[in-house]
Amino acid sequence: AAGVIQSPRHLIKEKRETATLKCYPIPRHDTVYWYQQGPGQDPQFLISFYEKMQSDKGSIPDRFSAQQFSDYHSELNMSSLELGDSALYFCASSSRVNEAFFGQGTRLTVV
Amino acid sequence: GESVGLHLPTLSVQEGDNSIINCAYSNSASDYFIWYKQESGKGPQFIIDIRSNMDKRQGQRVTVLLNKTVKHLSLQIAATQPGDSAVYFCAENPSSNTGKLIFGQGTTLQVKP
Repeated sequence: AAGVIQSPRHLIKEKRETATLKCYPIPRHDTVYWYQQGPGQDPQFLISFYEKMQSDKGSIPDRFSAQQFSDYHSELNMSSLELGDSALYFCASSSRVNEAFFGQGTRLTVV
Repeated sequence: GESVGLHLPTLSVQEGDNSIINCAYSNSASDYFIWYKQESGKGPQFIIDIRSNMDKRQGQRVTVLLNKTVKHLSLQIAATQPGDSAVYFCAENPSSNTGKLIFGQGTTLQVKP
């Protein structure tokens, strides 16, 4: 069965650079969620989209933005990167409220 | 083996024993709960879920118990196997409108052969 696809899997950026993470949800899933997971931490909710509209917002810095496109894929844009942004970024998708399936994540390292 | 209290960072059990992982959730209005398993370098993997109108749900080798009175959730794994070694997270959905999941602190399960 198709799963949530995230790209790239690994990304290394320098401080103050920008990064774009992509997420391709499971086909026919209409909701996408973004989570950030620091080393040894729980996944922290950043933002979600339902039918291409932002549906909820968590602890997402102002330097980050995201959107969901007409084909339901989503992109997380991160600017003015800081060392503390180094983390695993997960995307999850669902076809209804509740059960969310996660991608393998993008490991972002800011140096 | 059982994690004691609200949260224990690591639970070590012998292969073949039963494991119990505990979790306290924060929002009394949460109506949906999920247990996820996360292996190193991978995304959280859905294990089992339960809605607030139930107090118990069973899957294959796993059982989730929900105690809404004390806002407590537990995951029981029967006949724990080495492949069960991972970090386990409970997650709650505090709003049926958005599907946003709030994750609790993970418990690392170590299975000794």
